Amino acid sequence: SQELEQSPQSLIVQEGKNLTINCTSSKTLYGLYWYKQKYGEGLIFLMMLQKGGEEKSHEKITAKLDEKKQQSSLHITASQPSHAGIYLCGARLIELGSSNTGKLIFGQGTTLQVKP
Amino acid sequence: GAVVSQHPSRVICKSGTSVKIECRSLDFQATTMFWYRQFPKKSLMLMATSNEGSKATYEQGVEKDKFLINHASLTLSTLTVTSAHPEDSSFYICSARYALGNRVDSYGYTFGSGTRLTVV
Repeated sequence: SQELEQSPQSLIVQEGKNLTINCTSSKTLYGLYWYKQKYGEGLIFLMMLQKGGEEKSHEKITAKLDEKKQQSSLHITASQPSHAGIYLCGARLIELGSSNTGKLIFGQGTTLQVKP
Repeated sequence: GAVVSQHPSRVICKSGTSVKIECRSLDFQATTMFWYRQFPKKSLMLMATSNEGSKATYEQGVEKDKFLINHASLTLSTLTVTSAHPEDSSFYICSARYALGNRVDSYGYTFGSGTRLTVV
């Protein structure tokens, strides 16, 4: 089963429109990370959220983490062609017991296309 | 800061041969690195956690004898795909964890640029 669900899986928007990508965990998160990837390339860090209710913005991108720390959203305002790519949410889950590897698992990713 | 260099970016090898992929932290010491595999149009699948000076921890379903991980120094982790077969063709990405310093047990994760492996 997928521990991290990301939706939608793909998105096509007209340039200038707003959009939201969601990331939901079945478990409480220790930290939530948003990355952007161009196909066949590495990941570019966007934002990290750790506190319940936290919200961060950078340029036209805003990320939020809910109070329960199980759901995050990434919102892009006035989308541009440069926003196109694959958006990935990565979660550091709270690990019970002695194991604390600090590993990051990822959602399925959202492929965003922005039409000029 | 917190830059990771991954090499090679592309490699083509014959079936049955072994391929080594390197992941280096350039400006920080990475005691913990991670190796991921990404299938076309799919997300990143965590393969293993690489710890400096100790054995790697593999995720369920990942063959440790096929995907050998060595983390002999604080700046280098290697992934060797042994006896590669066409089904091992994929995009492999490494990641290194670094302390953020703003609170205990708070980390950032930086990624390499990936290696496209094609086994023919």
